[in-house]
Amino acid sequence: DIQMTQSPSTLSASVGDRVTISCRSSQDVGHWLAWYQQKPGKAPKLLIYKTSTLEFGVPSRFRGSGSGTEFTLTISSLQPDDFATYYCQQYDILSTFGQGTKVDMK
Amino acid sequence: QAQLVESGGGLVKPGGSLRLSCAASGISFSDDYMTWIRQAPGKGLEWVSYISSSGTPYYTDSVKGRFTISRDNSKKLVYLQMNNLRVEDTAVYYCASGLSHDYWGQGTLVLVTS
Repeated sequence: DIQMTQSPSTLSASVGDRVTISCRSSQDVGHWLAWYQQKPGKAPKLLIYKTSTLEFGVPSRFRGSGSGTEFTLTISSLQPDDFATYYCQQYDILSTFGQGTKVDMK
Repeated sequence: QAQLVESGGGLVKPGGSLRLSCAASGISFSDDYMTWIRQAPGKGLEWVSYISSSGTPYYTDSVKGRFTISRDNSKKLVYLQMNNLRVEDTAVYYCASGLSHDYWGQGTLVLVTS
């Protein structure tokens, strides 16, 4: 099974900060990597798929990068609506989610 | 407008069964994989199962032999039959489209407790 490890688990930041979340897979997943945002009591929302393709309607301050086993989600300037939990997901071989990164207010 | 609506969750004793349903509208249902993902209270997301457009099922190891995914393309429905339920199956179960999930349902709670 492919394991996905996100870091950090929690990130404290302020509005306007540049935020970076890392995701590492236990084996090469190519470009088959997605990122989701989830707010309490809500279903997750797809932000990015195929490593770096922005889902329709997602603000351009979100950027995905990486390949193979190392991936990154960057929020260029954190906005109030961005405080949430973020998950990476590989879908190369079956599917696996990372454990999540909670972005909270500093 | 795309919509996924789950139903069938509830309270069940360990060893019991439930059948979840997911009704789809506004998506190319018959062309796409359909997926079940769960989230235990206060925990992260866990992939449970998906089914190809032609009906080939895939499962995470912890549910193999207990859960069965199926679909009815004519009715735009996907099902998750859950047998021999365990306390650790307690979660909100989401239906989602595709392999990277652009559409999600609102979730249905499955509570397994004696």
